[in-house]
Amino acid sequence: GEDVEQSLFLSVREGDSSVINCTYTDSSSTYLYWYKQEPGAGLQLLTYIFSNMDMKQDQRLTVLLNKKDKHLSLRIADTQTGDSAIYFCAEAGRYGGSQGNLIFGKGTKLSVKP
Amino acid sequence: NAGVTQTPKFQVLKTGQSMTLQCAQDMNHEYMSWYRQDPGMGLRLIHYSVGAGITDQGEVPNGYNVSRSTTEDFPLRLLSAAPSQTSVYFCASSRTPSRTVTDTQYFGPGTRLTVL
Repeated sequence: GEDVEQSLFLSVREGDSSVINCTYTDSSSTYLYWYKQEPGAGLQLLTYIFSNMDMKQDQRLTVLLNKKDKHLSLRIADTQTGDSAIYFCAEAGRYGGSQGNLIFGKGTKLSVKP
Repeated sequence: NAGVTQTPKFQVLKTGQSMTLQCAQDMNHEYMSWYRQDPGMGLRLIHYSVGAGITDQGEVPNGYNVSRSTTEDFPLRLLSAAPSQTSVYFCASSRTPSRTVTDTQYFGPGTRLTVL
């Protein structure tokens, strides 16, 4: 079945780059997403990448997609303490829908140390 | 716009009690869904709706009912609460359900439910 895997924790120092990795199983996924969840809050769409792209850059964020290996990564340049949050990788699931029916990874908790 | 609102923010139930988690959006979104978030489990889809009058089951529907009588509201009902339903519940909405369209999905702030 469909599954999305990501490591649970990442700790970096302020100013360093963070790289959060994710693997997925559904090769038919049209879009892959990164969501951010701050403590006590709902999820917020951070960025997405279309499946025919290898890379997408958006300010400090870089998304890399390796379709052959079904591997997705999110790089945050110049990580700040405000980037501390849980980051979820997600793909569109079998129930149809755009982002509506998403299969989420378990989330990577990013801790940024000053 | 208020976006997606959920009430209550916190709730404690006893086993066997029933309750309704409310979700409303004021963006005229067709698509709404309910997820539960458990520690170390990510988010799992409970039920979803592609428009008023249309609902369908997600990955973990057992023990929950939904209805969609209006575009704005999508309540989630727990029929007979069980400790296994202790979780954080998120409602989400997006403009369309088309799989090929990247519509931003908006999440509510969540309802933290504890079943004793």
